Amino acid sequence: EAGVTQFPSHSVIEKGQTVTLRCDPISGHDNLYWYRRVMGKEIKFLLHFVKESKQDESGMPNNRFLAERTGGTYSTLKVQPAELEDSGVYFCASSQVRTSGRGYSNEQFFGPGTRLTVL
Amino acid sequence: GEDVEQSLFLSVREGDSSVINCTYTDSSSTYLYWYKQEPGAGLQLLTYIFSNMDMKQDQRLTVLLNKKDKHLSLRIADTQTGDSAIYFCAEFPRGGATNKLIFGTGTLLAVQP
Repeated sequence: EAGVTQFPSHSVIEKGQTVTLRCDPISGHDNLYWYRRVMGKEIKFLLHFVKESKQDESGMPNNRFLAERTGGTYSTLKVQPAELEDSGVYFCASSQVRTSGRGYSNEQFFGPGTRLTVL
Repeated sequence: GEDVEQSLFLSVREGDSSVINCTYTDSSSTYLYWYKQEPGAGLQLLTYIFSNMDMKQDQRLTVLLNKKDKHLSLRIADTQTGDSAIYFCAEFPRGGATNKLIFGTGTLLAVQP
């Protein structure tokens, strides 16, 4: 079974440019998440999709970030215009539908990340 | 609050035990996780523990949870060079409609041969 894939693996852009990151979750996973790790700090939550709907976007830094998941399959995260502080590693993760009870671990499967450098 | 703290670096010799520590602040968390990130790779779930457990053992890994002190630790027995990686602890707060994980800063484990 293929894991979570992300494209590109690396992106170097100049301040003010636009970048679009893509995530393909594990087939059948309705939950898709975006996280970001900036400058060796903690990994921070950005956004959570359930199918094509945004369940929680409380972690999105500002309106320069736009996430979409049309059709409930792959997702894109666009940064426009990019700023220096947007540099970091952007992780995507997917999981199955959450159920109640202690038997469910909410295991999120992570992709390898996209390393974004804004110069 | 939602803060998870870890020490940044740990160095051990091959064959020794490693203990990576983590403190969290959200007492409502239901699950606590340990993820491993090897260079150039994504985050791999190593193990997790449910909040009403004190200990979980899985081969060379032992997770200890002290709910009173909100302290989580990961012990790796007989540490190997292949264990060199960044280890993240994460909590899954109870309730709410989101499944977001709250991560720590990560601990870089360096295993010396």
